[in-house]
Amino acid sequence: QKEVEQDPGPLSVPEGAIVSLNCTYSNSAFQYFMWYRQYSRKGPELLMYTYSSGNKEDGRFTAQVDKSSKYISLFIRDSQPSDSATYLCANGAGGTSYGKLTFGQGTILTVHP
Amino acid sequence: DAGITQSPRHKVTETGTPVTLRCHQTENHRYMYWYRQDPGHGLRLIHYSYGVKDTDKGEVSDGYSVSRSKTEDFLLTLESATSSQTSVYFCAISVGGSQPQHFGDGTRLSIL
Repeated sequence: QKEVEQDPGPLSVPEGAIVSLNCTYSNSAFQYFMWYRQYSRKGPELLMYTYSSGNKEDGRFTAQVDKSSKYISLFIRDSQPSDSATYLCANGAGGTSYGKLTFGQGTILTVHP
Repeated sequence: DAGITQSPRHKVTETGTPVTLRCHQTENHRYMYWYRQDPGHGLRLIHYSYGVKDTDKGEVSDGYSVSRSKTEDFLLTLESATSSQTSVYFCAISVGGSQPQHFGDGTRLSIL
């Protein structure tokens, strides 16, 4: 079993839809959580970073973390064609882990006009 | 954008040849990381560095070595490249151990 599981999709939605992207994890040591967006032939770009359970909002994006069920989500409101990309969740354990991250395998999202 | 430059951006080489990839940063960040990205596997950590001359192995380090003689440069070396090392390689940097990592745009390496 992978430490971080993410549905690879692909996920296809119409413009304006609400998108829900999800990851589950098994390692209780994970303390902080990130979402990255990756366009084709580019490096991952940080979207959201959170240290605690609950919701964090940034514009059209909301990250949700539930440490008790080891479940993290990213919601995209009013999705746009420019949101079409691969979305990666990443978890870190903090402490003496030197910032090492464990990534999900990514979900491919297409938003069509 | 974080000041991270990876070179070369593309490389094709033959099995058994040595290959060195370079990551250069202008942010003066302490931590640097090398990942590979393959279909179905996501990003996997190869090696990381937590300071000049301080490096350690990641999840998939076999066949790879690294060096960091200056804060700004982190080199990844494939001593004798194999076809299984065909991949996209990403470098990332971080200001602190629990802080977000920022990525370069990758090196596409093909080993024939």
